[in-house]
Amino acid sequence: ETGVTQSPTHLIKTRGQQVTLRCSSQSGHNTVSWYQQALGQGPQFIFQYYREEENGRGNFPPRFSGLQFPNYSSELNVNALELDDSALYLCASSPGQFTDTQYFGPGTRLTVL
Amino acid sequence: SQQGEEDPQALSIQEGENATMNCSYKTSINNLQWYRQNSGRGLVHLILIRSNEREKHSGRLRVTLDTSKKSSSLLITASRAADTASYFCATVFNQAGTALIFGKGTTLSVSS
Repeated sequence: ETGVTQSPTHLIKTRGQQVTLRCSSQSGHNTVSWYQQALGQGPQFIFQYYREEENGRGNFPPRFSGLQFPNYSSELNVNALELDDSALYLCASSPGQFTDTQYFGPGTRLTVL
Repeated sequence: SQQGEEDPQALSIQEGENATMNCSYKTSINNLQWYRQNSGRGLVHLILIRSNEREKHSGRLRVTLDTSKKSSSLLITASRAADTASYFCATVFNQAGTALIFGKGTTLSVSS
């Protein structure tokens, strides 16, 4: 059984650009959540997908969008990058829509200059 | 906004000592979870305690939950250098399946 993987590990972008981060869920997991973690803070919930449909969203603007694919891989897209978007982006998968424990990937460190 | 708040923010102890960190939360919960994060990387699930449980053990970990005070504590006994990490409590954001709401974390440093 493979764990949750994310790519790339690190990324540097400039303000105004767009970025796509990728996540491969743990085998058999149909729910994926994305989190943003600023330095020194706890992770903040961005949104969750269940069977390719958005299942809930945190307090993030529409320029944060996502996709989940039939093979349960997923993407986080951020448009019009701002300096404050610099953070560690974590995805987490779980085997069901109402399964409490989540399994996290190692994260993508995004730096916006 | 943060649901849980951990206390203390930072904790430094010697190997072999016990480490206790606390979490307070704001709304009613179905369960509370604790996660560990090493060096700003991914989080690892440690333990889940349900709202009808008062105490739970897993290896060197002991978690308590007091729903009347909306608080939980995580005790790590006989700490090791490898326990050095940030520890977060998390509750479920009920409006979004099982999305987790995290506190700011406690940074534990265990020196040998």
